[in-house]
Amino acid sequence: EAGVAQSPRYKIIEKRQSVAFWCNPISGHATLYWYQQILGQGPKLLIQFQNNGVVDDSQLPKDRFSAERLKGVDSTLKIQPAKLEDSAVYLCASSFQLTLNTEAFFGQGTRLTVV
Amino acid sequence: DAKTTQPPSMDCAEGRAANLPCNHSTISGNEYVYWYRQIHSQGPQYIIHGLKNNETNEMASLIITEDRKSSTLILPHATLRDTAVYYCTAAGAGSYQLTFGKGTKLSVIP
Repeated sequence: EAGVAQSPRYKIIEKRQSVAFWCNPISGHATLYWYQQILGQGPKLLIQFQNNGVVDDSQLPKDRFSAERLKGVDSTLKIQPAKLEDSAVYLCASSFQLTLNTEAFFGQGTRLTVV
Repeated sequence: DAKTTQPPSMDCAEGRAANLPCNHSTISGNEYVYWYRQIHSQGPQYIIHGLKNNETNEMASLIITEDRKSSTLILPHATLRDTAVYYCTAAGAGSYQLTFGKGTKLSVIP
């Protein structure tokens, strides 16, 4: 079974530039998550989708971050404009459905460096 | 969601059992306890989860206390490849979200 695919693996941009990350979840998984992981900390949830609808985006900095999952499959996360503090690993995860008795599968992440 | 507390780091000798504790004293009745681990430069990997009963799979065992206020993840025979950060988290109905703290950095020593 193919895992969660993310691209690119690494990205370096200057502050105030824009950047986009792409995620393709495991086939058939309805729930998709984006997490931000700053060095030395645990992952922090940014947004959660169920199919193509947003379940929770309360921790997404909406002035600069946006995410979409238009067809309920793959998803993109965008930052515009980027700040130095956005340097982090951005992780995408998916799970089969929105229930408790199931696990989430994570991609390898995109490491963003803002200079 | 319940707040979890874990020791920041632990060492374990290779071949011995690694016992990783987690305190979740504010856990509610419908919240599951989940354990994930993150090996350097990789995304978190699911290990095991449980509600009330002890659970075992091919990777580990999960022991949950009767009052559900704490749990222990047991890796029965730790190997060098088990060196990772281990996260304990709880998720309940209504959010179905995994909230991660800083976890426990487990170092398996040869």
